[in-house]
Amino acid sequence: QVQLQESGPGLLKPSETLSLTCNVSGDSISRNYWSWIRQPPGGGLEWIAFMRLSANTKYNPSLKSRVVVSADTSKNQISLQLSAVTASDTAVYYCARTGSYPYYYYAMDVWGQGTTVVVSS
Amino acid sequence: QSVLTQPPSTSGTPGQRVTISCSGSKSHIGRNAVNWYQVFPGSAPKLLIYNNNQRPSGVPDRFSASKSGTSASLAISGLQSEDEADYYCAVWDDGLGGHVVFGGGTKLTVL
Repeated sequence: QVQLQESGPGLLKPSETLSLTCNVSGDSISRNYWSWIRQPPGGGLEWIAFMRLSANTKYNPSLKSRVVVSADTSKNQISLQLSAVTASDTAVYYCARTGSYPYYYYAMDVWGQGTTVVVSS
Repeated sequence: QSVLTQPPSTSGTPGQRVTISCSGSKSHIGRNAVNWYQVFPGSAPKLLIYNNNQRPSGVPDRFSASKSGTSASLAISGLQSEDEADYYCAVWDDGLGGHVVFGGGTKLTVL
C-alpha cells in the first residue's frame, strides 16, 4: 500500500522560505511523477509542481520563480521549497503520486494527508 | 481565477442526477485528458475519474464523466447524502511550458 506523509514547519514569517518533505512508502520515487498541490483556507486546489527523476520538473507558471522541487532517493522522499512566502501562501500542502499506471495524463491517485502551513508575522 | 470554469455550487435531492461542468480551451481540455477529484472538508482529495471517463477501482458506477471539445462534465446519478463534497476537474495545459490546472471547484449540496 502506497502512503505519502508530508511534514513541515507549520508556521513561518513573511519573506521566509518554506521547506516541506514528503516521505513515500510502498513505492519508489524513482518511478512516476510526484506532485505538490496546495489548498488555501476556503479556497480551491492549486497545483504547484511535479517532478520525475528521469524527466524535467514542471512548475505552475505563477509560482515558478519561487519554487524548487527536489528528491532524495536514499530517503525515498521529495521536497518542496517555496521562497519569499507571504500570507497568501497559507494553505494545506499536499504531495501526490502522479501519472502512475493506469492513471496517465497526470492523474494524482495517491495523496498524503496534507500539512498545514501558516504564514504570519 | 482558474482557466477551467466550474459552477461554484450545485445541489440535488437524494436519488437525483446532477452534473458538474468544466469549461476550458483548446490548449488543455481540447487536447488532453480530464481528471476529476472529490474533496471532503478536512480530507485529502480523492481521484474520482481519470482519462476523461475512467473510474479507479472502488469508485461507484454512479459517478461518470465525459468530454466533448473544450468542455467536460461529471455526472452523479442516484445522488446520496455522502456525495456532498467539493468536486474539481483538472487537466494538463500545454501552454507556458506545460503545467497542470485545476478548475475552481464545485460544492455539491445534497438537500
